[in-house]
Parts: sequence; structure tokens; C-alpha cells
Amino acid sequence: GQQVMQIPQYQHVQEGEDFTTYCNSSTTLSNIQWYKQRPGGHPVFLIQLVKSGEVKKQKRLTFQFGEAKKNSSLHITATQTTDVGTYFCAGQGSGNTGKLIFGQGTTLQVKP
Amino acid sequence: GAGVSQSPSNKVTEKGKDVELRCDPISGHTALYWYRQSLGQGLEFLIYFQGNSAPDKSGLPSDRFSAERTGGSVSTLTIQRTQQEDSAVYLCASSLALLAGGSTDTQYFGPGTRLTVL
Repeated sequence: GQQVMQIPQYQHVQEGEDFTTYCNSSTTLSNIQWYKQRPGGHPVFLIQLVKSGEVKKQKRLTFQFGEAKKNSSLHITATQTTDVGTYFCAGQGSGNTGKLIFGQGTTLQVKP
Repeated sequence: GAGVSQSPSNKVTEKGKDVELRCDPISGHTALYWYRQSLGQGLEFLIYFQGNSAPDKSGLPSDRFSAERTGGSVSTLTIQRTQQEDSAVYLCASSLALLAGGSTDTQYFGPGTRLTVL
């Protein structure tokens, strides 16, 4: 079945350093979504990418969707302590109706 | 309501007992999803509803798990004869609708129910 792999599992950075998490799907995706889960909290939607090669930015966050629509990345520039949490990608396969397959998540720790 | 609500927030039960978890989606949201998150793990898809019907039940781990949704609103996830490996946080999410072409809309998550099976 469809699988979504996400790396790295953990990342520790110094405040001000950049951070990137990568997501790879075993199958072509119709779209991919990114969520952030703070410690003790629930996932919160960040963004959805639909088009091949799409790039979207939210302040210090840059999201990319690969040309083949099988991979995606989230890059955070100049991390802050408020960026701490687990970032999940979630992919929807072509032809599926509503089902999202989540990656395992990347947990980001930021040292002040 | 203002957001997705789930009850109870915590449930401790003994192995072999049945449990029922409840989800109240955001008013007007036609799609509802159940996920399971074990400690330190990602989200495991269980089932989703479009209205009252469940087009995809493929994520339910076993026949001990069932879910229903009535009136296009509240959903309950029932786990029969609970086992220790059922211990996890059960998250519910809702979205406004399935978009054209089957694309899923933004999902809004509830706070989850933490289930502990002793």
C-alpha cells in the first residue's frame, strides 16, 4: 500500500540555524499537506501543496512539492524556540477519496 | 462549536473491556476522520466518514474496532475487548468537505482521547 516516509526523525538545532524535513511517497500524490504538533498538543494544519513543483512560503517556512509529486520538503530559516514541535507531512494518493497517509514526523528541538 | 471536541479526554480501562470514544466535529463539516497516535509515533489512519457513510475502513486494525456516525455529525469509535496494544491517543479530525476530484480539505484536529489499557 501507499507509504509516506519522512526524515529525519529528530533534529536538534541551535536557535538561528536552519532546519529541513523531507517527505517521500512510494506513489504519486494528488496533494500533500503539512501539519505541526506542539508537545502535548494536536496536529495543526500548516499548508497544502497541489501542483507539481509548487513552492509556497509562510514567513520563515518554505514548502516544496517535487516535480514528480512524490516528494516534498519543509525548510525553516533561522529557527526560533517557538518552532519546537513535530512536523508531519500527509499525502493523498491519486484516485483516493479523502484518505491521508501521514509520515512518521520530524521532531524539532531548538536550543536557545 | 468552535472546534472539534472529543470525549473523554482520558480513559483508563482494563484489558478485555469495551470502550467508546466520542467525536463532535466542527458544525457543518461533512468529512470526519479517526486516527491513532502511539507514543512518539506518527498518525495512523483508521477510518473516515463522508456524511454518515464510511468509504474507507481499511485502517481499522481488527474487527474489534468499529465506528459509526449519525446525523452527519457526532461519531463514535468503539473498541471491543480492549488489548494493551490499543493504548494510544485517538485523534478525530473534521474537514468542510471533500473537494472536487476527491482532494481532501484542511483537517482540523480535536484534542484527542488518551486511552490506557491496563
